[in-house]
Amino acid sequence: GESVGLHLPTLSVQEGDNSIINCAYSNSASDYFIWYKQESGKGPQFIIDIRSNMDKRQGQRVTVLLNKTVKHLSLQIAATQPGDSAVYFCAENPSGGSYIPTFGRGTSLIVHP
Amino acid sequence: ETGVTQSPTHLIKTRGQQVTLRCSSQSGHNTVSWYQQALGQGPQFIFQYYREEENGRGNFPPRFSGLQFPNYSSELNVNALELDDSALYLCASSLGAGGPYEQYFGPGTRLTVT
Repeated sequence: GESVGLHLPTLSVQEGDNSIINCAYSNSASDYFIWYKQESGKGPQFIIDIRSNMDKRQGQRVTVLLNKTVKHLSLQIAATQPGDSAVYFCAENPSGGSYIPTFGRGTSLIVHP
Repeated sequence: ETGVTQSPTHLIKTRGQQVTLRCSSQSGHNTVSWYQQALGQGPQFIFQYYREEENGRGNFPPRFSGLQFPNYSSELNVNALELDDSALYLCASSLGAGGPYEQYFGPGTRLTVT
């Protein structure tokens, strides 16, 4: 069936490096994508979103890239900090109807000081 | 403005029992969604309530049921608990349904079924 998945379950980086977290989606009907950050003991926290009519969106230290041709989404974090250590989820929302995101499995980002 | 709160934070139940989890939505939000998050997995959508009516349901059996109250707080009820129901249960509130509206998640209730 249709699903959202992540290529790498764990990503380790050094403080100050740039991080790239990847996500593959298979539902071609999805028109809205969201990245969430989940720290230990907390619920997911919205980071950034992007609609399918865009291929790039930037926030504070984060950039999301969307490649609809290969159904790929990535989250880039610039100058990664220890506070960025968390599990990151991408979620997709099929077009139409209620906003009910489908979450992928998640990538654990570990930032070493 | 208070965020989304959930109670209890932790709960241990025995197989076959029933459980009720509670969620208070963020001020001004009329939509609550419930998710189940197994260890090492992403949240899985259970159902959503919009203005006290169910507004969508995921692939969960009928023993998972819910309510939304006039103040938009919500309950998740699970009957005949099974071991596989052990998970973190998250609720998220948003300004509306049929979005996309940003969802604000609570810290979750950790349910352990023995």
